[in-house]
Amino acid sequence: EAQVTQNPRYLITVTGKKLTVTCSQNMNHEYMSWYRQDPGLGLRQIYYSMNVEVTDKGDVPEGYKVSRKEKRNFPLILESPSPNQTSLYFCASSQSRVTGELFFGEGSRLTVL
Amino acid sequence: EDQVTQSPEALRLQEGESSSLNCSYTVSGLRGLFWYRQDPGKGPEFLFTLYSAGEEKEKERLKATLTKKESFLHITAPKPEDSATYLCAVQGARRDDKIIFGKGTRLHILP
Repeated sequence: EAQVTQNPRYLITVTGKKLTVTCSQNMNHEYMSWYRQDPGLGLRQIYYSMNVEVTDKGDVPEGYKVSRKEKRNFPLILESPSPNQTSLYFCASSQSRVTGELFFGEGSRLTVL
Repeated sequence: EDQVTQSPEALRLQEGESSSLNCSYTVSGLRGLFWYRQDPGKGPEFLFTLYSAGEEKEKERLKATLTKKESFLHITAPKPEDSATYLCAVQGARRDDKIIFGKGTRLHILP
């Protein structure tokens, strides 16, 4: 089954404690992206990757890092989380950047105390 | 600046009561306009892509249409299982243009 898998689905952490949200897709997609979704603000892009070792900033990259060492994986790293990073995070993938047909993961709800 | 505005923010309908959701957009050359459905606690699920004015796509009780300034998602004789948030997104034709999402319309169908 084609899918995008995120872990963890739910996480409560404290300010400053480094964490990683993993994302893996099994569709051999070139393009992967991270979004955060906040009430009243909609989906905002954090980082994206057009292929292995190619990453770029989205609209709200501050406080986040990413890496793309393998085609299937695109982890999101919060080096020193802060309460304003409390949000619902989605990983998405597509065949290429030129298509808007994104496949989304189930989401990771992060709370930073 | 590229923008996507969806209206209404929320809509409550009786089962069987047809209606339309609106997506107005401003973009420098449209590569594609996309509709997604999002259920509570889930990731968005792709529904349609529209590429040019006049194009229409259908899926079950949903039909998406496109003009040069807006798109409509028409829902005909909706059922309670059509309750969800519907997201509109656009992508410009420039090489690095991102996909920009609207804030969505929360649709609730009452039995």
